Amino acid sequence: AQKVTQAQTEISVVEKEDVTLDCVYETRDTTYYLFWYKQPPSGELVFLIRRNSFDEQNEISGRYSWNFQKSTSSFNFTITASQVVDSAVYFCALSLNSGYSTLTFGKGTMLLVSP
Amino acid sequence: KAGVTQTPRYLIKTRGQQVTLSCSPISGHRSVSWYQQTPGQGLQFLFEYFSETQRNKGNFPGRFSGRQFSNSRSEMNVSTLELGDSALYLCASRREGGTEQYFGPGTRLTVT
Repeated sequence: AQKVTQAQTEISVVEKEDVTLDCVYETRDTTYYLFWYKQPPSGELVFLIRRNSFDEQNEISGRYSWNFQKSTSSFNFTITASQVVDSAVYFCALSLNSGYSTLTFGKGTMLLVSP
Repeated sequence: KAGVTQTPRYLIKTRGQQVTLSCSPISGHRSVSWYQQTPGQGLQFLFEYFSETQRNKGNFPGRFSGRQFSNSRSEMNVSTLELGDSALYLCASRREGGTEQYFGPGTRLTVT
């Protein structure tokens, strides 16, 4: 069975600080996909980034960057120069190649960015 | 392109009643999945439909069912509602061959 762990329940930062959200996953499959979603107070889950298990290249997209390390089964997400609008709950999720639509989610990390 | 839409957005029902929630996927997306979100259990997969067929099902009792129509719109039904069914029900759609799912705003169901 798959498992996603987000150890940080809540993080509070001041605007313009960098913040890293941690995610550790467990799966026996060799082909899988990892995702980060953002859930603002409105409730809708917003897709942010995706990574597949064969690509460990870390990337930067605007203020977002992610660090995928298969050796430690971690998929951490960093927001640079945080803004108040980044306040939300962030979910890490895993899907297997054989069932793209079955997402296993972590419990989420609530990020509060204060001005 | 319009996003995933869900109706109704809010619903209050009484224990023992049944409820039907609706989801319209992004145009061209044929896969629709449903998730339940509660404070205690977090986000849990309910089921996935593709081309009117249920492809995957999560670990939920038979009171939870769904269906998909030929236009890819989907409905989920919960019969004999229990207090524990109070949750945010999220629908997501995915294009064939794609991996990321796009979620709707959810239906918040309260069972009293």
